[in-house]
Amino acid sequence: NAGVTQTPKFQVLKTGQSMTLQCAQDMNHNSMYWYRQDPGMGLRLIYYSASEGTTDKGEVPNGYNVSRLNKREFSLRLESAAPSQTSVYFCASSEPGGRAYEQYFGPGTRLTVT
Amino acid sequence: SQQGEEDPQALSIQEGENATMNCSYKTSINNLQWYRQNSGRGLVHLILIRSNEREKHSGRLRVTLDTSKKSSSLLITASRAADTASYFCATAGGSNYKLTFGKGTLLTVNP
Repeated sequence: NAGVTQTPKFQVLKTGQSMTLQCAQDMNHNSMYWYRQDPGMGLRLIYYSASEGTTDKGEVPNGYNVSRLNKREFSLRLESAAPSQTSVYFCASSEPGGRAYEQYFGPGTRLTVT
Repeated sequence: SQQGEEDPQALSIQEGENATMNCSYKTSINNLQWYRQNSGRGLVHLILIRSNEREKHSGRLRVTLDTSKKSSSLLITASRAADTASYFCATAGGSNYKLTFGKGTLLTVNP
């Protein structure tokens, strides 16, 4: 099992450009999450999907959109990137939906917006 | 805003010593979890303690939870250089599938 995979690993964008971060899990988990981590900070929840077909805002959703494409995949889109979105983005999954079991994290995407 | 706050922010010890990290939180929880993050990597779950539990062990890890003080501690015994990492506490509240993370404690274990 690959666990949680994220693509790309690194990305540099110019202000105003758009991009989609991809995340996939092969553990048949119901719940998936997107976090951002800034230096000296813990993880902050951007969006989450408790189960296939549902998405909800987290703590810092502004400037982002998400799509739960199917049970395996959960993508994060930046429509018009801003320097404030320079961060490391982590995707995570957990099972089953509705219970706070441990979360499994991907390796992260390091995004720089210039 | 962060629910958990770890203390200290950074801790440096010698190999073989014990390391203790603390986490305080503000609202009632269903469970509290500890995660480790090696530099440049994703987080790895270490241990979960439920609100009705007071202590839990896993290998060299010991977690305590005091709901009356809204605090938890993580003890790593007989530390190794490989334990060098950032450690985060995360709390699960009313919406059980969401976790709120603290800012973490950076542990350095010197050989």
